[in-house]
Amino acid sequence: GAGVSQSPRYKVAKRGQDVALRCDPISGHVSLFWYQQALGQGPEFLTYFQNEAQLDKSGLPSDRFFAERPEGSVSTLKIQRTQQEDSAVYLCASSLEAGANPGNEQFFGPGTRLTVL
Amino acid sequence: GQNIDQPTEMTATEGAIVQINCTYQTSGFNGLFWYQQHAGEAPTFLSYNVLDGLEEKGRFSSFLSRSKGYSYLLLKELQMKDSASYLCAAPRTGAGSYQLTFGKGTKLSVIP
Repeated sequence: GAGVSQSPRYKVAKRGQDVALRCDPISGHVSLFWYQQALGQGPEFLTYFQNEAQLDKSGLPSDRFFAERPEGSVSTLKIQRTQQEDSAVYLCASSLEAGANPGNEQFFGPGTRLTVL
Repeated sequence: GQNIDQPTEMTATEGAIVQINCTYQTSGFNGLFWYQQHAGEAPTFLSYNVLDGLEEKGRFSSFLSRSKGYSYLLLKELQMKDSASYLCAAPRTGAGSYQLTFGKGTKLSVIP
């Protein structure tokens, strides 16, 4: 079956531009996560949705970062006024159940590689 | 807080066995995940250990010692396609248990 998909796969932005990154989770998955992965590092948690509710945005690095999942399926991560330090791979993951069970397997998408010039 | 340490890089020969270690310091314990990530691709789930001991899944096994804050991933009969980064990750404890804290990953290179 279809996995998690993300678009675009690659995005180059000039400093100061706004970008929008899309995630299509596995159909029926309740939980959706965004992670930021810098080069040579592990993914770092950004935010968590349970259906359409954003329950945790504690990992968003600044108020320039905004995420939404209005209908409880597709999600968009928006970065306003991009800076060079925003250059990273942005990974989306989904899991079938609500996040309370720590053993819930998260299925990751291939990521969007953002390069800010 | 949570801290996860793993070696940055390892090299091993095709057909051999390699062990990738992970040590963790967490407030509480909610299990430990291993993920495989090929360059430019999504991390994919390998294992989740909650109890001490070794769990075997084909060529891959994962070991956990909660008392030592230590886990390892064992890869047998290495194949070239096993060249990838291997990520150790721990869920937070408490209300935010969906949050995974990842190590930096161990880049494994398999050579002929």
